[in-house]
Amino acid sequence: SQELEQSPQSLIVQEGKNLTINCTSSKTLYGLYWYKQKYGEGLIFLMMLQKGGEEKSHEKITAKLDEKKQQSSLHITASQPSHAGIYLCGATRGGSQGNLIFGKGTKLSVKP
Amino acid sequence: GAGVSQSPSNKVTEKGKDVELRCDPISGHTALYWYRQSLGQGLEFLIYFQGNSAPDKSGLPSDRFSAERTGGSVSTLTIQRTQQEDSAVYLCASSSWTSGANEQFFGPGTRLTVL
Repeated sequence: SQELEQSPQSLIVQEGKNLTINCTSSKTLYGLYWYKQKYGEGLIFLMMLQKGGEEKSHEKITAKLDEKKQQSSLHITASQPSHAGIYLCGATRGGSQGNLIFGKGTKLSVKP
Repeated sequence: GAGVSQSPSNKVTEKGKDVELRCDPISGHTALYWYRQSLGQGLEFLIYFQGNSAPDKSGLPSDRFSAERTGGSVSTLTIQRTQQEDSAVYLCASSSWTSGANEQFFGPGTRLTVL
């Protein structure tokens, strides 16, 4: 079965610094989804990537899917305390199955 | 409301009791998913509905777990004879997916504690 590995597992950065979270798959990704979760809350959808080489940005967050579609990165520019939370990457298995497989998450803390 | 809602938000039960968790998806979303999130296990898929049918039940951990969906809307996840290892946050998501892109919208979850 396809597994998603996220790195790092946790990250502490100073406010204003840039950071990158990676998500690596052992198989080709048909759809890659980034979510953010705060403690006690559900998952908030950030971005979806489907095409190799695709890049999307929303405010200070940029996500990329590499050409081979086996790795994605999430980059945050000039981090703010509001960016703190757990970032999860999810992927579809392809075919007719609609459920997402998720990585274990990256816990981000931003120090003011 | 416009989002996915779940009830109850918290549930504490005794080992051996049955529990029912409810999910109200976004109106018009045909696909509905149940996931479980527990410490050390991350997010695990449980079951998926397309309309009222469940084409994929592969994630249900045992026959104590069952789910149904009626009217293509509300879904109920039932856990019978709860065990302590069932303690987790149960998340529901919905989407308008039929094929291709599958952006799923998640509810706030139900935190289940089995004593």
